[in-house]
Order: sequence, then C-alpha cells, then structure tokens
Amino acid sequence: AQSVSQHNHHVILSEAASLELGCNYSYGGTVNLFWYVQYPGQHLQLLLKYFSGDPLVKGIKGFEAEFIKSKFSFNLRKPSVQWSDTAEYFCAARRTGGFKTIFGAGTRLFVKA
Amino acid sequence: DARVTQTPRDKVTEMGQEVTMRCQPILGHNTVFWYRQTMMQGLELLAYFRNRAPLDDSGMPKDRFSAEMPDATLATLKIQPSEPRDSAVYFCASGLDWGGTSGGHYNEQFFGPGTRLTVL
Repeated sequence: AQSVSQHNHHVILSEAASLELGCNYSYGGTVNLFWYVQYPGQHLQLLLKYFSGDPLVKGIKGFEAEFIKSKFSFNLRKPSVQWSDTAEYFCAARRTGGFKTIFGAGTRLFVKA
Repeated sequence: DARVTQTPRDKVTEMGQEVTMRCQPILGHNTVFWYRQTMMQGLELLAYFRNRAPLDDSGMPKDRFSAEMPDATLATLKIQPSEPRDSAVYFCASGLDWGGTSGGHYNEQFFGPGTRLTVL
C-alpha cells in the first residue's frame, strides 16, 4: 500500500540549530514529493516540491530537501532554524500522473527562542 | 493573490444536526480535495473531484457524509446527521492537474483556511 512515513512526531530545537526532518515513502514507479508547513492556527502551505531533475530542491524560507531514490527518502533540512519556524511539517507523495496525494502524520517542530 | 476560501471558519452544532461546509476553489483549478484533520488521525483524504466529477470518496463515511460540486466555483461537504466524533478541522484544497509529468503548477494543492467543526 502507498504510504508516507515521518520519523519524528515532535522535535524541539534551539534557535540557530540545524534541522533535518525525515520522510520515507512507499510507492511504485515515479513520484512527486512535497513538504507542507502548517503554522499554528493556519492552513497548510507548500514549502517545496520535487517533480524531476536536480534531487536537491530549494524552497521558501531557507528550507531545502533532498530526494534520494535509492532510500525512498525526501528529508527536509534547514541550516539554522528560527523561532518563527515553530509549526507542523507534513511530507506528502503522489504517484506521477496520479490524483491522490498521501500525507505523512506530520512532525511538530518547536523552536526555543 | 488567488486563494481557496472556506465557509464557515468555525461551526459549533449539536449532535444530529446537519452541517454544510463550503469551499470556493481557486479560479481555473480543476481538482478539489476535502481533508479532515484530527489529532489522532492526522490529515485524512475524504474526497476529491476532477472537473467537478467525484473521482474518489472512499475516505468518507458514506452513510452520513456527502460531497458535491454544483458548479466549478463551489464545492460542498455535508454531514447529516452529525456526531461528536466528526469534530475536526475540515480543509478544502484545489489544484490544477493534467496528470502530466512536467513541473510548474501540476500536482500541487493549495489549501483553504479550514472549517473547525465542533459537534456537542
């Protein structure tokens, strides 16, 4: 069955620390991959996406993610987090050409000022 | 700045009452998704439409939930009768999807602000 797994449910970091959130997907064939962010009380917003080409994808607000096909992974990174990055982060995957996007359970990030 | 809009933003109702949530997708988008978000289950896909036709509603409890797109500018999600376990935030998302493999705005969903439903 198609699935998306996020390794950490909760992450607590201090400001300026580096961030890496794990995401693995289980899909046959080629996939499109996404990271969304949900700030407290707000809707989901797209951080970045991967369709094809360069496996290192840069998104908004200094985030990036690397697609490693051999590991079925799409980890999210940021070199230095800020208090304003406190949010829930969702990894999502969709079979290329398909209609259905599967979301992971989410990782809640809390950044201490 | 085009956005998905949802109404109402908050709804408190009593068990057994009918609830209707509305969504206006971004103009020109041809896919609409309904999601339910709870602490326990996370983000669950309830239904999705392409060109106003329902493609999959397998995530919806069929006996009480129904989703429709009366026209391209309106999607509705109805619960009748509502139950306390339906309490959640319901998100609508829209996208432009040709099912292609290139980049751009393909395969990307834009989310609305959600409707927070509380069933007492």
